[in-house]
Amino acid sequence: NAGVTQTPKFQVLKTGQSMTLQCAQDMNHNSMYWYRQDPGMGLRLIYYSASEGTTDKGEVPNGYNVSRLNKREFSLRLESAAPSQTSVYFCASSVPGLVLNEQFFGPGTRLTVL
Amino acid sequence: GENVEQHPSTLSVQEGDSAVIKCTYSDSASNYFPWYKQELGKRPQLIIDIRSNVGEKKDQRIAVTLNKTAKHFSLHITETQPEDSAVYFCAATLLTGRRALTFGSGTRLQVQP
Repeated sequence: NAGVTQTPKFQVLKTGQSMTLQCAQDMNHNSMYWYRQDPGMGLRLIYYSASEGTTDKGEVPNGYNVSRLNKREFSLRLESAAPSQTSVYFCASSVPGLVLNEQFFGPGTRLTVL
Repeated sequence: GENVEQHPSTLSVQEGDSAVIKCTYSDSASNYFPWYKQELGKRPQLIIDIRSNVGEKKDQRIAVTLNKTAKHFSLHITETQPEDSAVYFCAATLLTGRRALTFGSGTRLQVQP
């Protein structure tokens, strides 16, 4: 199993450009998440998807959109990139349960917006 | 919403010493508290977790304690080794609904050989 995969690994954009970050998992997990990580601020939730066909906003959703294409894939789109969106983006997935909620993270996408 | 505070932001110890990282949370409904380790340039990985019906959990050199009344939980690493050097994040969530994690701001642990 590849676990959670993300593409691309690195990206440089100019202000106003758009792009889509791709995420896929092969663990048959229902729940998927997008986080951003900024220095000294931990990871903050952008959007999440509890199951195929559903998405909901997290703590910092402004400037982003998401699509849960199917059970495996959850993409994050920046319509008009801004320097404030320079960050490392992590996708994660988990299996719902009342006992454990281990989230498995992808390798991250390092995005720079000039 | 939930808010998690983590201290200290940096921690330097000698190899073989113990390290303690502390977190407090604001939402008394939270019932799941994981700890993640993130090495430089890598993804966060779960190292230990605890549910609110348990006060302490241990896994070899790592232990987590939870005080529900005070709403704080701590990570204890004993007999530290250079490979323990990393950034450690605490998190909290409720195991129903979105179950998305609220993370602390991280602790950079440096183990000096």
